[in-house]
Amino acid sequence: KAGVTQTPRYLIKTRGQQVTLSCSPISGHRSVSWYQQTPGQGLQFLFEYFSETQRNKGNFPGRFSGRQFSNSRSEMNVSTLELGDSALYLCASSSGLAGGPGTGELFFGEGSRLTVL
Amino acid sequence: AQSVTQLDSHVSVSEGTPVLLRCNYSSSYSPSLFWYVQHPNKGLQLLLKYTSAATLVKGINGFEAEFKKSETSFHLTKPSAHMSDAAEYFCVVSPSGSARQLTFGSGTQLTVLP
Repeated sequence: KAGVTQTPRYLIKTRGQQVTLSCSPISGHRSVSWYQQTPGQGLQFLFEYFSETQRNKGNFPGRFSGRQFSNSRSEMNVSTLELGDSALYLCASSSGLAGGPGTGELFFGEGSRLTVL
Repeated sequence: AQSVTQLDSHVSVSEGTPVLLRCNYSSSYSPSLFWYVQHPNKGLQLLLKYTSAATLVKGINGFEAEFKKSETSFHLTKPSAHMSDAAEYFCVVSPSGSARQLTFGSGTQLTVLP
């Protein structure tokens, strides 16, 4: 069974640009969660999508947005990039709702490393 | 509200000696607890999970953790460290039966010395 696939793995942008990251979950998984990982802040939750609906959202500005398609693939978008957006963006899928009993364990992709210059 | 505290940011052990990574949690509900491992430039991999079944949980690669409600702890152990265990480890808490977001600890960097 293929794991969680994130593309692109590495990208470099400049301030003010926007970026779109893609995540393909494990086949059959309906939940996709996104996390931002930085050395200073650690892992921070961005949002979770389940069956094309945003179920939870973290404390990030509106520049960060996402969506989920009918095949469970998800994209996140960051507009008007700032230097502080440089981070590893991790996507995780789960069979059930993230963190829930039984099927809530997360399976992570290898991440998309974004560098903003 | 819930939180998780990993008591050591760095742990260093010699190969073949035991590993202990400490995690304390607080949760208003009966929590689900997880340990994840992250190798450099990789995503996180699930080591083990506790979801109110047996309090001693066995995971992959010889790791195990014991849920102690009275101490609100979920420490990760391994009898004998291997060089390949060098990585960052995250303790994670989630309210049981809830779709709320998971809370990650700040991580413990494990170094294994030859």
